[in-house]
Amino acid sequence: DQQVKQNSPSLSVQEGRISILNCDYTNSMFDYFLWYKKYPAEGPTFLISISSIKDKNEDGRFTVFLNKSAKHLSLHIVPSQPGDSAVYFCAASEYQFYFGTGTSLTVIP
Amino acid sequence: KAGVTQTPRYLIKTRGQQVTLSCSPISGHRSVSWYQQTPGQGLQFLFEYFSETQRNKGNFPGRFSGRQFSNSRSEMNVSTLELGDSALYLCASSLDVESYEQYFGPGTRLTVT
Repeated sequence: DQQVKQNSPSLSVQEGRISILNCDYTNSMFDYFLWYKKYPAEGPTFLISISSIKDKNEDGRFTVFLNKSAKHLSLHIVPSQPGDSAVYFCAASEYQFYFGTGTSLTVIP
Repeated sequence: KAGVTQTPRYLIKTRGQQVTLSCSPISGHRSVSWYQQTPGQGLQFLFEYFSETQRNKGNFPGRFSGRQFSNSRSEMNVSTLELGDSALYLCASSLDVESYEQYFGPGTRLTVT
């Protein structure tokens, strides 16, 4: 049973606009959440994280929001750039990491 | 600092054979985790090693095993390969078990025919 779900397999956004990637989880015991970016033929690269005691974390163009009551996590990328085109995975931690199935983001120049 | 390296990068095996994959973590990192990535399933946790001890194991059959050496390098072994074992196997290292940030290698693409 998938404890972390990314229901949108793909997303296309115009360059300069906001990209919003979503992630839902079922386990209220998760204490840490992360987003990874993956290019073809490479391993995932850590992007940004958030502790369960916070509801927002920013790092440059990337902001992660956590809504614990809704068990929902989102990643905002503003402004989106063509180099952001990649597969994005969300992950949640309780003793081990549980990953979503990924969302393929395409930023159109 | 060199990143996580995995060898080999590509591997083709026949059903019923066994395979060993290798992972060298970032220098100074003592925790190594292994994941299986298949289309539609995302990354599935296999196991985590720290100080040569398996700390956690995912929901995989006993055909999947691993170990960690004193220099933190890790190997995973899959015996009696099945067609469904075809996947990208990713290794990730982190400083220690308290560190949430994992650094992934490029993966080993295993194809079972």
